[in-house]
Amino acid sequence: GQNIDQPTEMTATEGAIVQINCTYQTSGFNGLFWYQQHAGEAPTFLSYNVLDGLEEKGRFSSFLSRSKGYSYLLLKELQMKDSASYLCVFTGGGNKLTFGTGTQLKVEL
Amino acid sequence: DAGVIQSPRHEVTEMGQEVTLRCKPISGHDYLFWYRQTMMRGLELLIYFNNNVPIDDSGMPEDRFSAKMPNASFSTLKIQPSEPRDSAVYFCASKWGGGRNEKLFFGSGTQLSVL
Repeated sequence: GQNIDQPTEMTATEGAIVQINCTYQTSGFNGLFWYQQHAGEAPTFLSYNVLDGLEEKGRFSSFLSRSKGYSYLLLKELQMKDSASYLCVFTGGGNKLTFGTGTQLKVEL
Repeated sequence: DAGVIQSPRHEVTEMGQEVTLRCKPISGHDYLFWYRQTMMRGLELLIYFNNNVPIDDSGMPEDRFSAKMPNASFSTLKIQPSEPRDSAVYFCASKWGGGRNEKLFFGSGTQLSVL
């Protein structure tokens, strides 16, 4: 079967760094996405990893270890607008994307 | 491009009624996906199309749900008859399938409430 595990919610302080972890189990794997979803809005693309290692994009970085079935999203210099749900998503066979239930991040002053 | 366009934005109906959700994908995109989102289950893939042909409908809950894509610029998701447990946000998304790393673009969603 296919399964994704990520924490339900996290809280962090403005200006700090937060790491959101994701583990997955699947029989077929092509790559891993992270999406951001603000309350009442549609998910939007943040990052994509297909090879092991770290991908950096501004304040956001995403890491993948295929052998461990593990990924994390790192958010630096947190801002209030970063309060949102962060969805770990993997692509298995074909073009099918499987979404996790998301980690609700709350950024506080 | 205007992005993925869904209608209606909100739908309130009574149990037993037929509901039709509509989606216009981004021009040039050859994949279209229908997702349902609830607090308990997150985003669930219902069905997806490639070049207007349904590829995987294993996520469609039951025969009450049906989806069509008569052409490259339009798709519908129909629920008949609707039930209260169908209440959720339904998202349509599209992408260009040229590579595995092509990202999904989501519409704004339809908030469905079945009373």
